[in-house]
Amino acid sequence: AQSVTQPDIHITVSEGASLELRCNYSYGATPYLFWYVQSPGQGLQLLLKYFSGDTLVQGIKGFEAEFKRSQSSFNLRKPSVHWSDAAEYFCAADSGGGADGLTFGKGTHLIIQP
Amino acid sequence: NAGVTQTPKFRVLKTGQSMTLLCAQDMNHEYMYWYRQDPGMGLRLIHYSVGEGTTAKGEVPDGYNVSRLKKQNFLLGLESAAPSQTSVYFCASGVTTGVSNQPQHFGDGTRLSIL
Repeated sequence: AQSVTQPDIHITVSEGASLELRCNYSYGATPYLFWYVQSPGQGLQLLLKYFSGDTLVQGIKGFEAEFKRSQSSFNLRKPSVHWSDAAEYFCAADSGGGADGLTFGKGTHLIIQP
Repeated sequence: NAGVTQTPKFRVLKTGQSMTLLCAQDMNHEYMYWYRQDPGMGLRLIHYSVGEGTTAKGEVPDGYNVSRLKKQNFLLGLESAAPSQTSVYFCASGVTTGVSNQPQHFGDGTRLSIL
């Protein structure tokens, strides 16, 4: 079955430190991959997406993600986090070819320490 | 503000009651989706629509019905509410990018409690 796994339920990072959130996928073929962010009480906002080509994808708010086919991973990174980055982050995948939405990971809750 | 608007934002129901959640988007998007979000579960697709007058089942459709009579609106109905339907419901919309049809804009959610 197709699935998206985010191994870390919670991650705590000091403000100004670097961040990496992990995402692994299990699909028959390489899916299209996405990262969303959800602030408390809000809907989801698309950070970035990978369809093909360059394996390093730039997104909004200073985030980037690297697709690694050999590891079936699509990890999200940021060089220096800000207190406003505290939120829930979701990795998602789309097998393509239809409009049946996305398969989401269970999310990683990011806590920023002052 | 342009985007996806959900009403109501909060609702408490008794078991067995029915209700309809409304989603409206003003971006002329073709695709619309209803998800539910439960703690530790991420988002799961309930139903979706690829255009006016069309609907399809997602991953967890049981106990829900939907309608898309107008392109800008997507309604989610609970026929007989059950405590297991206590959740936060998100509506989303999007257009095809020619590669993927993923939702691109989300509403702020409807928090629904079933007693």
